[in-house]
Amino acid sequence: QVQLVQSGAEVKKPGSSVKVSCKASGGTFSSYTISWVRQAPGQGLEWMGRIIPILGIANYAQKFQGRVTITADKSTSTAYMELSSLRSEDTAVYYCARAEGYSYGPVPEQYYFDYWGQGTLVTVSS
Amino acid sequence: QSALTQPRSVSGSPGQSVTISCTGTSSDVGGYNYVSWYQQHPGKAPKLMIYDVSKRPSGVPDRFSGSKSGNTASLTISGLQAEDEADYYCCSYAGSYTLIFGTGTKVTVL
Repeated sequence: QVQLVQSGAEVKKPGSSVKVSCKASGGTFSSYTISWVRQAPGQGLEWMGRIIPILGIANYAQKFQGRVTITADKSTSTAYMELSSLRSEDTAVYYCARAEGYSYGPVPEQYYFDYWGQGTLVTVSS
Repeated sequence: QSALTQPRSVSGSPGQSVTISCTGTSSDVGGYNYVSWYQQHPGKAPKLMIYDVSKRPSGVPDRFSGSKSGNTASLTISGLQAEDEADYYCCSYAGSYTLIFGTGTKVTVL
């Protein structure tokens, strides 16, 4: 059983950066991708980007290009999402989510999320 | 890239069926058979209900079914139950290893 455990809530000033972690247990960290999805208060889900941990290759939604960096540490089975130049509109719950397989790997990359983290609230306020 | 379009809300009485549409373009929904659906209760993380357009993960009741025609995917809930009241989101592969979510639909059980 895969479990994704995220870091705790953060309060940040506008213009600063935030880095959220997502530690995986169960399964094989190197055999799947991790995506980051956010949800502003009362709003819908928004896909931000994903990483193939075993290769360190990340892809981002156009909206977040240049402002988000997704990384992974295979030694600790932890993925990270760093968002810079924070503004009030970035106030949201940030989720990590797993998809099986990965491009170039032995198992084809799947494009659905079967496991989710519990979410991390990031509040941007002066 | 704009979010996929879903109706803001749908409702039905217990036992009835409701269908939620998810409209995209030929670059996402219409171009790939990689549409998934998620159920989200307030304050909770989303839960996978349907993947690859019409496949159901183990543990998801067979009251939930998915389909696609052209650029529009649909989720049908048959035999609506009180616990089905939640927000539902579609999600599609959009090429170049990117995904896009729908705007979300609130399902109300009357």
